[in-house]
Amino acid sequence: GENVEQHPSTLSVQEGDSAVIKCTYSDSASNYFPWYKQELGKRPQLIIDIRSNVGEKKDQRIAVTLNKTAKHFSLHITETQPEDSAVYFCAASIGNQFYFGTGTSLTVIP
Amino acid sequence: DTAVSQTPKYLVTQMGNDKSIKCEQNLGHDTMYWYKQDSKKFLKIMFSYNNKELIINETVPNRFSPKSPDKAHLNLHINSLELGDSAVYFCASSQGKAGQEFFGPGTRLTVL
Repeated sequence: GENVEQHPSTLSVQEGDSAVIKCTYSDSASNYFPWYKQELGKRPQLIIDIRSNVGEKKDQRIAVTLNKTAKHFSLHITETQPEDSAVYFCAASIGNQFYFGTGTSLTVIP
Repeated sequence: DTAVSQTPKYLVTQMGNDKSIKCEQNLGHDTMYWYKQDSKKFLKIMFSYNNKELIINETVPNRFSPKSPDKAHLNLHINSLELGDSAVYFCASSQGKAGQEFFGPGTRLTVL
């Protein structure tokens, strides 16, 4: 089955700096890669996603890149703000099965 | 008009009891899921279910069983609760293949 690894597990950045979270996957059949943000005590919510026919996608301060050959994808957050502090999960999807990374706890220091 | 809802939000119970968590989605999605999130925040898939197929994570004890009365509901039944079952349980749903997955608000289960 699919195996998704996510790094780092914790990340602290100064407000205004950039944050990068990286994930790798094992199954080349994975074709959809969502990223979720989970604030304390709340549900995971989709913040951005990318499909396997696209190399990069951007939405305001958030961008995701995908390298299918290397089987890795990354989340980039620029100009970080304190409200970006949360746990971020990457996932890889095959069909209707989702495989989640182990999460990254991001802290943005004001 | 919540997309994915769960009840109860909190559940505190004694070891050995049997309990259920209900999940409903009003998105018309064809696949529903149950996840367990432990204290380390790992999101572990337990089940995925559509009207054709139930996929069970092999690590899930058979004390856990999903029941789907219809396409919009996937309830989670847990028998003989153990201390290690304490966690937050999330229901989710998606449509088709490579469709966006929506999560419910979670149910925090505490086993005493």
